[in-house]
Amino acid sequence: KAGVTQTPRYLIKTRGQQVTLSCSPISGHRSVSWYQQTPGQGLQFLFEYFSETQRNKGNFPGRFSGRQFSNSRSEMNVSTLELGDSALYLCASSLVGTVKELFFGSGTQLSVL
Amino acid sequence: DQQVKQNSPSLSVQEGRISILNCDYTNSMFDYFLWYKKYPAEGPTFLISISSIKDKNEDGRFTVFLNKSAKHLSLHIVPSQPGDSAVYFCAAKGSQGNLIFGKGTKLSVKP
Repeated sequence: KAGVTQTPRYLIKTRGQQVTLSCSPISGHRSVSWYQQTPGQGLQFLFEYFSETQRNKGNFPGRFSGRQFSNSRSEMNVSTLELGDSALYLCASSLVGTVKELFFGSGTQLSVL
Repeated sequence: DQQVKQNSPSLSVQEGRISILNCDYTNSMFDYFLWYKKYPAEGPTFLISISSIKDKNEDGRFTVFLNKSAKHLSLHIVPSQPGDSAVYFCAAKGSQGNLIFGKGTKLSVKP
């Protein structure tokens, strides 16, 4: 069974640009969550999607958005990039219902110059 | 304000000895806790979990202990192996179902 796939693996952008990251969950998983990992803050929750609807949202500005498609694949978008957005963005999937364990992808390393 | 805290950024242990990683939480409503392990350039992988109705859970060399009155949990790895060298994250399941992570502890196991 394939794991969670995130593309691209690395990305370099400049301030003010926007970026779209993609995530394909494990087959059969309908919930997709996004996390931001930075050296100083650990893993911080961005949002969770289930059946194409945003179910939960963390404390990030509106520049961070996401969506989920009918096949459970998800994208997250960051507009007007800032230097502080440089981070590893991790996507995780889980089965329906209450989250017990999340299965993470390898992440997209975003560098904002 | 951090709800899940891992106060030791790093820990160094000799191969074959016990590794003890600690985690504190502030919200007494948390009822499910997990430990994840992360190697560089990879996503975190689930290691072991514990429900608040238990105070101990074992899986091979890994044991998690939960002290609800102290709002403290710990992960014991016995015996430690060089392949255990990684960053370990403690997490709690929040009221909305999302996981709340600590900042991680980098474990180095020396041969």
